[in-house]
Amino acid sequence: QAQLVQSGAEVKKPGASVKVACKASGYTFTSSGISWVRQAPGQGLEWMGWISPYNGNKNFAQKFQGRATMTTDTSTSTAFLEVRSLRSDDTAVYYCARDMDGTPYYMDVWGKGTTVTVSS
Amino acid sequence: SYVLTQPPSVSVAPGKTARMTCGGNNIGSKSVHWYQKKGGQAPVLVIYYDGDRPSGIPERFSGSNSGNTATLTISRVEAGDEADYYCQVWDSIGDPVIFGGGTKLTVL
Repeated sequence: QAQLVQSGAEVKKPGASVKVACKASGYTFTSSGISWVRQAPGQGLEWMGWISPYNGNKNFAQKFQGRATMTTDTSTSTAFLEVRSLRSDDTAVYYCARDMDGTPYYMDVWGKGTTVTVSS
Repeated sequence: SYVLTQPPSVSVAPGKTARMTCGGNNIGSKSVHWYQKKGGQAPVLVIYYDGDRPSGIPERFSGSNSGNTATLTISRVEAGDEADYYCQVWDSIGDPVIFGGGTKLTVL
């Protein structure tokens, strides 16, 4: 069955960068998109962006354009999210999720999440 | 950008029916998807395209969408249904993926 396995928790200082990995298995990696969603403590779900492993097309939420980078490595079926210039309000659980190919639409398989803590 | 409005909380007794709404301007013209999120677990898709259920989701979960309101209905509510529920749509203007603020379902 389709599965997404994410990298482990990170603790970063303000101003640093973090890179989260998401390894897919159980389906053809290039046949679906990957969305990234985060949830800050006590807050709701926030969509960050989407990438197509097939052709590298991306779509970012306006809030994260210029500060986040999404990439994929099709040889290992892994997607990556990098967030730069971290602030305390970036403290959140970051999820990757399988999305539609061609455009972000809805997410049917989710990783367990990666906790990123930003603290001095 | 498009805004989805969900009531912060809904309470229901076990065995009864829970209805959670998701309001948006002419939301009936969009496809609505619903996610269940329990505590520290990952979200789970429970309804997609307004009323379709992924495999493994009980028939007790159903959805509808018309006018300015989409509704997630859970019949014969169980204690295990207690969770936060989020609606989500795709929008062609602004950010393409929009989540509602979530509704906390409490089973009394």
